[in-house]
Amino acid sequence: SYVLTQPPSVSVAPGQTASISCGGNKIGTKSVHWYQQKPGQAPVLVMYYDSDRPSGIPERFSGSNSGNTATLTISRVEAGDEADYYCQVWDSSSDHRVFGGGTKLTVL
Amino acid sequence: EVQLVESGGGLVKPGGSLRLSCAASGFTLSASRMSWVRQAPGKGLEWVSTIFTTGHIYYTDSLKGRFAISRDNAKNSLYLQMNSLRADDTGLYYCVKDMVAATRERDYWGQGTLVTVSS
Repeated sequence: SYVLTQPPSVSVAPGQTASISCGGNKIGTKSVHWYQQKPGQAPVLVMYYDSDRPSGIPERFSGSNSGNTATLTISRVEAGDEADYYCQVWDSSSDHRVFGGGTKLTVL
Repeated sequence: EVQLVESGGGLVKPGGSLRLSCAASGFTLSASRMSWVRQAPGKGLEWVSTIFTTGHIYYTDSLKGRFAISRDNAKNSLYLQMNSLRADDTGLYYCVKDMVAATRERDYWGQGTLVTVSS
């Protein structure tokens, strides 16, 4: 089965840039979606189809996907960005939706 | 406005059954790809099942035939029948209207219904 690998945690100071990686075999050939989840809340889509931002998501959020790694980048990080972030793909070879293990973003 | 409201969660003993419901409004459920996603306490997101508009259905491998997704178009509702429940099925179950690639429409999530499997 297809596996997505994320770092368990990323820490960044306010105003700096956070990069969260999502590794998978030839992930660059798939569409990657990213979710933000704050405690006690349902996940919120912050990036889809690799680099498209849903309406209402700040331009500080950007995404890229190539080779074996997809990346969610958050520029000028704010305290309110502190959350768990999950990458997700649809694996067409198995017709399964796959989530990464999640990355806890801590704003120092 | 798209709304998804889950219900049917609760406390059940190991080996028991539950039927989760998801009442949809603001869109036609039969014309949408729908999924269930769960989250164990303190853990990450786990995909459970997806039903396509064609009726094709897919499940995560670990369920081994214990769960069944279905929909009632007349009631605009999605269901998840859960049988032979185990302790590791405990978690918050989310109903999801999946994103639409052709129109770049985002996905929508309900607030979840909590399932607790314990003796």
